[in-house]
Amino acid sequence: AQKITQTQPGMFVQEKEAVTLDCTYDTSDPSYGLFWYKQPSSGEMIFLIYQGSYDQQNATEGRYSLNFQKARKSANLVISASQLGDSAMYFCAMREGGGGYQKVTFGTGTKLQVIP
Amino acid sequence: DVKVTQSSRYLVKRTGEKVFLECVQDMDHENMFWYRQDPGLGLRLIYFSYDVKMKEKGDIPEGYSVSREKKERFSLILESASTNQTSMYLCASSRAGEGRRGTEAFFGQGTRLTVV
Repeated sequence: AQKITQTQPGMFVQEKEAVTLDCTYDTSDPSYGLFWYKQPSSGEMIFLIYQGSYDQQNATEGRYSLNFQKARKSANLVISASQLGDSAMYFCAMREGGGGYQKVTFGTGTKLQVIP
Repeated sequence: DVKVTQSSRYLVKRTGEKVFLECVQDMDHENMFWYRQDPGLGLRLIYFSYDVKMKEKGDIPEGYSVSREKKERFSLILESASTNQTSMYLCASSRAGEGRRGTEAFFGQGTRLTVV
């Protein structure tokens, strides 16, 4: 079964608009972490934002925020005021396990294209 | 800055060859991971390791093995390369920790492997 599901293979957004990229996850581990990464066409993986399963507040990092709905098992990424440089692949990832043992799995990604 | 270095950027191997992909990190991270990335499939976890000599199968371990004799080095081995192993291979490392920021994965630049 897929642990991380990203249902939007591709999305378009107008420059300066906000966009939400969906991510749902599946785990029975009570302690887990959720991450979003950006992969531009250059191929590097850039960490954007993190949400811990016990965090009470939604994470924010500049223009990025994570809409964490624990009961729904969703962790959507919201990018505000989109810029042309935001055009990239975006991956949601989940870390399971605590302390030493940690397994990190990724979704299939969403390709975001920002239109001028 | 954390650095994760993969030994080759591009590699071409013949079917049936034994292939070694090397990954070295310089931040004393406990966890190391090998993924393969294919279009439409995202990043799929092959193997991961949370300590020296410790290894765990990921979601697609068939046809691969790994070695971690030193903390900083994690090797992926294709026992007998096949054409369906043509892919981009990404190595990553992360610090151990639970429910804390700063435990995101850092990635190498990737190895584009072609098996002919």
